[in-house]
Amino acid sequence: QVQLVQSGSELKKPGASVKVSCKASGYTFTSYAMNWVRQAPGQGLEWMGWINTNTGNPTYAQGFTGRFVFSLDTSVSTAYLQISSLKAEDTAVYYCARDHGGSYPSWGQGTLVTVSS
Amino acid sequence: DIQMTQSPSSLSASVGDRVTITCQASQDISNYLNWYQQKPGKAPKLLIYDASNLETGVPSRFSGSGSGTDFTFTISSLQPEDIATYYCQQYDNLPTFGQGTRLEIK
Repeated sequence: QVQLVQSGSELKKPGASVKVSCKASGYTFTSYAMNWVRQAPGQGLEWMGWINTNTGNPTYAQGFTGRFVFSLDTSVSTAYLQISSLKAEDTAVYYCARDHGGSYPSWGQGTLVTVSS
Repeated sequence: DIQMTQSPSSLSASVGDRVTITCQASQDISNYLNWYQQKPGKAPKLLIYDASNLETGVPSRFSGSGSGTDFTFTISSLQPEDIATYYCQQYDNLPTFGQGTRLEIK
């Protein structure tokens, strides 16, 4: 069955960088786009963007350009989210979610990134 | 960006009640609308896709309807395990989520 397994929680200082991984299994990785969704503490879901797993071309939502980078390693069926110059307001749970015709039936378990001095 | 206005933001209902949540899009999105359930500390779960299609394995008490700009999500008979936050999500253009509806048991 489809599984998305994300890397563990991270505690970072402001200004640092973090790279979250999302390892896929149970399907052909390059056949479905991967989305990233942010959820700040006590807040709703926010779509960050997606990456075409066939071409590697990313698309970023407004507010997620510049410091946020989506990447892939198709040899290990893994998508990555890197955030640079971390700020306190980046503290959130980050989810990867496999696209299926615009809906997201499969999600990773989430990765908590905490930014604190 | 397409804005999704979801209401109510919170809702308290009794077991067995019929519960309805609405989502309004800022422009016509045809039927490009999904509904998710999220329980505390868990990833969201897809319940309804393309406005009215029940995802495999989801109980039939959940349903969705609508097209264009106005959509409705219904739980026909509320069960204790349905306590969660529910989100709509459009994908006509760059995807956006509604702000969520927190459902509690009265």
